[in-house]
Amino acid sequence: GNSVTQMEGPVTLSEEAFLTINCTYTATGYPSLFWYVQYPGEGLQLLLKATKADDKGSNKGFEATYRKETTSFHLEKGSVQVSDSAVYFCALSDRGASRGGKLIFGQGTELSVKP
Amino acid sequence: DARVTQTPRHKVTEMGQEVTMRCQPILGHNTVFWYRQTMMQGLELLAYFRNRAPLDDSGMPKDRFSAEMPDATLATLKIQPSEPRDSAVYFCASGLSSGGGNEQFFGPGTRLTVL
Repeated sequence: GNSVTQMEGPVTLSEEAFLTINCTYTATGYPSLFWYVQYPGEGLQLLLKATKADDKGSNKGFEATYRKETTSFHLEKGSVQVSDSAVYFCALSDRGASRGGKLIFGQGTELSVKP
Repeated sequence: DARVTQTPRHKVTEMGQEVTMRCQPILGHNTVFWYRQTMMQGLELLAYFRNRAPLDDSGMPKDRFSAEMPDATLATLKIQPSEPRDSAVYFCASGLSSGGGNEQFFGPGTRLTVL
């Protein structure tokens, strides 16, 4: 079945450091891919998405490229800030209408950015 | 600013009591999802609906959990009787299902503590 695997956390970085959070997936067909972010005490928010191979999603300085050949969707940011401290979830959505828009989430990666 | 709303935000109850959590999806969305988040298990999908019809509730303990959508503006998740192991944050999310893998919008969650 479909699945998502993320690198384990927590990830601790200093402010202005480069961030990479790895995400790989297993899916049949051509899923859409998402990164969600969860700040402390809040629900998940969509950070960025990509709907087809080679698409690049970007938002708030974060980027991720849909790589079909490596089944990956790694999250990157060139210079992190303390305010980026949160838990990041990678997810996929099977395009089939019968799936009802169901998302498959990875286990989440906690990011802590120190001043 | 359209948002998913959830009530109550916090609930403390004693074992054996009935708990009802409510969710108002974003107007116009036709899919609704219930998730449970714990430190040990992460984010688990409990049930989801499309056009108010249940599509999958295989993630729910059937003997004590029930999910319904009495109308398009209200989704409920009920636990009867509640147990300490049900302590978690319960999230509702809504979205549009068109087979294209659309994003889900999450509510702020209900933090449930069962003593």
